[in-house]
Amino acid sequence: RKEVEQDPGPFNVPEGATVAFNCTYSNSASQSFFWYRQDCRKEPKLLMSVYSSGNEDGRFTAQLNRASQYISLLIRDSKLSDSATYLCVVNADMRFGAGTRLTVKP
Amino acid sequence: NAGVTQTPKFQVLKTGQSMTLQCAQDMNHNSMYWYRQDPGMGLRLIYYSASEGTTDKGEVPNGYNVSRLNKREFSLRLESAAPSQTSVYFCASSELTGAKNIQYFGAGTRLSVL
Repeated sequence: RKEVEQDPGPFNVPEGATVAFNCTYSNSASQSFFWYRQDCRKEPKLLMSVYSSGNEDGRFTAQLNRASQYISLLIRDSKLSDSATYLCVVNADMRFGAGTRLTVKP
Repeated sequence: NAGVTQTPKFQVLKTGQSMTLQCAQDMNHNSMYWYRQDPGMGLRLIYYSASEGTTDKGEVPNGYNVSRLNKREFSLRLESAAPSQTSVYFCASSELTGAKNIQYFGAGTRLSVL
């Protein structure tokens, strides 16, 4: 089993849709979690940290489930500009997931 | 505000050639990292440096060496390039390693080894 796993997608959704991604991790000692966004042929950039109690930033909601060892990212009211690859990061050992590709269509 | 700067942006090598990828950050960060990204594989950590004067192996260190020249600079060297090292290389920095560190990435170096 990979240490950090993501559904690679692609997720193809219409504008305005709600979409959710999960990311599972195997290291139960992991303490910090992040979601990064990567546009085509660009560097990853931080989207949001994931806090134990869950957190929201505008249309984006991140949650952590320690018992089942996964984090999730929910995007509401999808925009065309949300099209990108979303990478989860587990910082106990600086592991990145392979990314989930999202395409939002008009 | 430059952040993390990588040079070169593109490079083509022949098998067996050597080269050094340069990385510099101007955020006074303690920790620096080198990753490679291959299609479908995500980012894999090659080496990291938790602080000036220290370096540690990551997930895929074979075939690479690193030097933390000073707090700002962290270079990655390929002594004898192989086609399997064709990849996009990203350098990153963060204030600290471990919990709650946020990594900032350079724009990447696209390397092809023929």
